[in-house]
Amino acid sequence: SYELTQPPSVSVSPGQTASFTCSGDKLGDKYACWYQQKPGQSPILVIYQDTKRPSGIPERFSGSNSGNTATLTISGTQAVDEADYYCQAWDSSTVVFGGGTKLTVL
Amino acid sequence: EVQLVESGGGLVQPGGSLRLSCAASEFTFSIYWMHWVRQAPGKGLVWVSRINPDGSSTTYADSVRGRFTISRDNAKNTLYLQMNSLRAEDTAMYYCARETIEATGPGLDYWGQGTLVTVSS
Repeated sequence: SYELTQPPSVSVSPGQTASFTCSGDKLGDKYACWYQQKPGQSPILVIYQDTKRPSGIPERFSGSNSGNTATLTISGTQAVDEADYYCQAWDSSTVVFGGGTKLTVL
Repeated sequence: EVQLVESGGGLVQPGGSLRLSCAASEFTFSIYWMHWVRQAPGKGLVWVSRINPDGSSTTYADSVRGRFTISRDNAKNTLYLQMNSLRAEDTAMYYCARETIEATGPGLDYWGQGTLVTVSS
């Protein structure tokens, strides 16, 4: 079965750039999505089709996908961005999530 | 505002059954693919199942295939998950989610608040 691998944690200082990687075999040939989940809350879609932001998602969130790695970038990270971030891709007709990365804003 | 409201969770013994519901409102439910996703306490998101708009096509994760059944009633704007032969490892928060309308690489753009299922004796 298809697997997506994410590092368990990322730490950044406020105002800095946070980058999250998601690795999978030929992931660049698929579309990647990203979700933000804060403690006790439901996930929120922040990026879909590799680079698109749903309405209401701040411009500081951006995505890319090439080769075996998809990347979510938060520019000018704010304390409110502290959360878990999950990548997601499709394997045939099934959905696959990465294990998630916890963002700490120091 | 799109709303998805899950219900039906609770405590059930191993081997038991439970039926989850997800009531949808403020969007045309009958044209969207819908999903169930679960999250064990302190763990990550795990996809469970997907159903097409008219209910004629379903897909399941290997871990639940043969035990869980996804269905929908478009007249009632409601998604269901029938869970049989429950195991301790099925303990999780269960979310319903709407798939975006894109034909390729869609995401899950709206999620319910979740309903907690606990499988324990």
